[in-house]
Amino acid sequence: GNSVTQMEGPVTLSEEAFLTINCTYTATGYPSLFWYVQYPGEGLQLLLKATKADDKGSNKGFEATYRKETTSFHLEKGSVQVTDSAVYFCALGGGADGLTFGKGTHLIIQP
Amino acid sequence: NAGVMQNPRHLVRRRGQEARLRCSPMKGHSHVYWYRQLPEEGLKFMVYLQKENIIDESGMPKERFSAEFPKEGPSILRIQQVVRGDSAAYFCASSPKGGQGFHEQYFGPGTRLTVT
Repeated sequence: GNSVTQMEGPVTLSEEAFLTINCTYTATGYPSLFWYVQYPGEGLQLLLKATKADDKGSNKGFEATYRKETTSFHLEKGSVQVTDSAVYFCALGGGADGLTFGKGTHLIIQP
Repeated sequence: NAGVMQNPRHLVRRRGQEARLRCSPMKGHSHVYWYRQLPEEGLKFMVYLQKENIIDESGMPKERFSAEFPKEGPSILRIQQVVRGDSAAYFCASSPKGGQGFHEQYFGPGTRLTVT
């Protein structure tokens, strides 16, 4: 079956630092890949997506590239802000109708 | 266009009571998904419904849990005889289409169920 593995948190960085949150997946077929963000007390918001190999999703300074050869979809941002503090979920979907999520990575940005 | 709406946002039930969680999808969306988020865990898919039909309930516990999405009105996730282990955040998502291929799911704010 499908599965998503993402790095454990919390990840604590200083403002303006470079961010990488690793995500790898196992899936049959050709799934779409997503990063969702969850702010405290809120639901999930789609941050970015990629629907096929070598696609790069980007939004709000965040990027992730769909790497089929390494089955990865790592999230990166060049310069994080305090407002980026949240929980980030990597997810995949395709074929089946429900999304498969990783456990989430709690990101804390300190001023 | 209002987003996905869920109510109540917080629900407290004693063991053995019933919990009813409601989800109104985005306007024009006829596909609804329910997910459960346990503390410190990611979201786990429970059930996928279209209007009046359950399409995939492979993630739903076999007992005490049921879901519906009637022709009129919100989708309902119903948990009978709740136990402490049912305490979690329950999220609903909707999409304009379902099935094969990518269709973005839009999430509601969730219902946080606490069983005492």
